Amino acid sequence: DTEVTQTPKHLVMGMTNKKSLKCEQHMGHRAMYWYKQKAKKPPELMFVYSYEKLSINESVPSRFSPECPNSSLLNLHLHALQPEDSALYLCASSQDPGVFSYEQYFGPGTRLTVT
Amino acid sequence: SQQGEEDPQALSIQEGENATMNCSYKTSINNLQWYRQNSGRGLVHLILIRSNEREKHSGRLRVTLDTSKKSSSLLITASRAADTASYFCATDGGIQGAQKLVFGQGTRLTINP
Repeated sequence: DTEVTQTPKHLVMGMTNKKSLKCEQHMGHRAMYWYKQKAKKPPELMFVYSYEKLSINESVPSRFSPECPNSSLLNLHLHALQPEDSALYLCASSQDPGVFSYEQYFGPGTRLTVT
Repeated sequence: SQQGEEDPQALSIQEGENATMNCSYKTSINNLQWYRQNSGRGLVHLILIRSNEREKHSGRLRVTLDTSKKSSSLLITASRAADTASYFCATDGGIQGAQKLVFGQGTRLTINP
């Protein structure tokens, strides 16, 4: 199974809401990633988890809180977002890079709209 | 910034023609990867080329890498309507940054029937 699943597909939330994005993979990958993508722009890395530990935080505002409960699951908790946070949020997984990077498998994304 | 540049930004060709996209980057890398993204969807990995490789093929795809010029190209031969998508190159950060992929700005490819 080479699929990465993400839920929900679409999410509309107000600036005072708390919501969570979920990502799951069953490929045995030990690295998982969150990316943010604005329209007509490339994906931008937000967080990297390696062996369930946060290894990279690309100076993401604290209103985004990642969590990796186990090797198959990755969550992104959202709180007090701003309208400019509206974007496609992509989850990906790969073998743990170590010294060399590997191909990443992406989920279909969650389209987030903050009102 | 490590971010790569791609050109052209947009490319429109007739079905059956070949499409070539170019990517340039700024820092040392271990690998360079190419991904495809259909509108509003997740990215699909196409090909990975290591820094000690010069050319790689996968079906109708041909990727070249010139580390001396810090550039790569993706050639799609005999294009099909289903190839319409955005194509991104992605570079890692070399030995110190293998976990971090940085994507180029992308090329939007349109194949006209």
